[in-house]
Amino acid sequence: AQSVTQLGSHVSVSEGALVLLRCNYSSSVPPYLFWYVQYPNQGLQLLLKYTTGATLVKGINGFEAEFKKSETSFHLTKPSAHMSDAAEYFCAVSPSGNTPLVFGKGTRLSVIA
Amino acid sequence: DVKVTQSSRYLVKRTGEKVFLECVQDMDHENMFWYRQDPGLGLRLIYFSYDVKMKEKGDIPEGYSVSREKKERFSLILESASTNQTSMYLCASSLLQGRLETQYFGPGTRLLVL
Repeated sequence: AQSVTQLGSHVSVSEGALVLLRCNYSSSVPPYLFWYVQYPNQGLQLLLKYTTGATLVKGINGFEAEFKKSETSFHLTKPSAHMSDAAEYFCAVSPSGNTPLVFGKGTRLSVIA
Repeated sequence: DVKVTQSSRYLVKRTGEKVFLECVQDMDHENMFWYRQDPGLGLRLIYFSYDVKMKEKGDIPEGYSVSREKKERFSLILESASTNQTSMYLCASSLLQGRLETQYFGPGTRLLVL
């Protein structure tokens, strides 16, 4: 069965500092991986996704993630945090066939001025 | 832009009431999903639908049912609301079946059952 583990339910960074949100997955098939963001009082929106090809994926708002098969990881990074990045971030894996996404429990990012 | 709308942002109901949560998408998507979101538990799939009048159970279907009479509308029904169903409910849709399809989410309905 596919699963996603997000390390750290809450991450706090200073404005301008590096953002690193960790995601590890397990999958019995080549994984398709997603990061979604949820701003306060809103639904989720797609940040980026990895399917095949280049392992470094660039998303919206300056975020990127690198697929590392040997480490079964898909960590999300941004070089310089902005106050507007404060949100909850969800990693997800797409199982085989037509079953829906499997989401991690989420990581809440706080940005301190 | 894809738009997924949910009928209410906030809802307060009493234990035992029948509750309807409505979701409408305007992009002719085939797939629709209902999740509940709770602190520390992330998103948990309740039901999903790949076509009109079709439904599949997700991870936590107990106490819920769904209806999809039209392609654009997917309703979640709490037959007899209980306090442990107090939660944020999120609806999503995606264009086609398949692993690559992005899900588009509505803004959520925050339900309080007293």
